[in-house]
Amino acid sequence: KAGVTQTPRYLIKTRGQQVTLSCSPISGHRSVSWYQQTPGQGLQFLFEYFSETQRNKGNFPGRFSGRQFSNSRSEMNVSTLELGDSALYLCASSLGINRAFTYNEQFFGPGTRLTVL
Amino acid sequence: DAKTTQPPSMDCAEGRAANLPCNHSTISGNEYVYWYRQIHSQGPQYIIHGLKNNETNEMASLIITEDRKSSTLILPHATLRDTAVYYCIVPPGGYQKVTFGTGTKLQVIP
Repeated sequence: KAGVTQTPRYLIKTRGQQVTLSCSPISGHRSVSWYQQTPGQGLQFLFEYFSETQRNKGNFPGRFSGRQFSNSRSEMNVSTLELGDSALYLCASSLGINRAFTYNEQFFGPGTRLTVL
Repeated sequence: DAKTTQPPSMDCAEGRAANLPCNHSTISGNEYVYWYRQIHSQGPQYIIHGLKNNETNEMASLIITEDRKSSTLILPHATLRDTAVYYCIVPPGGYQKVTFGTGTKLQVIP
């Protein structure tokens, strides 16, 4: 079974621009989560999508948004880029069983390294 | 949400057991403890999880204290390839909204 894929792997943008990152989950997985990783803050949760709906959201400004398509593929968008947005953005997929006290093991992609100049 | 506390870094000699501690004193009764690790430049990888009993798989063992307020991940014979950042997480209410934080950076020394 193919793993989680993310494109592009590397991206360089300038302040004020916007960027779209893509994530293809493992076949059969319906949940996709996005994380931002920086040296100082570690791995921070951005949001989770399940069946094309945002199910959970972290504490990031509205410049960070996402969506999920009917085939479970997901995109993440960051508008009006700031220098502090430079980070590794990781996507993780899971089965997404929607039941209380049912965390599903997550499978991570290799990430997209975003550099904002 | 159950917050976890881990030491920022640890060293372990190659071939010896690596014992990585995690404190989760506010864990609720139905919440599991999960461990992941992230090898440099890769995404995190699931290792093991447990609720109250000790667990073992081909990668590691997980020891959870009886009061469930802390746990220890054990890599029985650490190799250089085990050098990584190890994350202990307690998914709140079992949902997917999880922040991994900064974890423990394990350095296996030859």
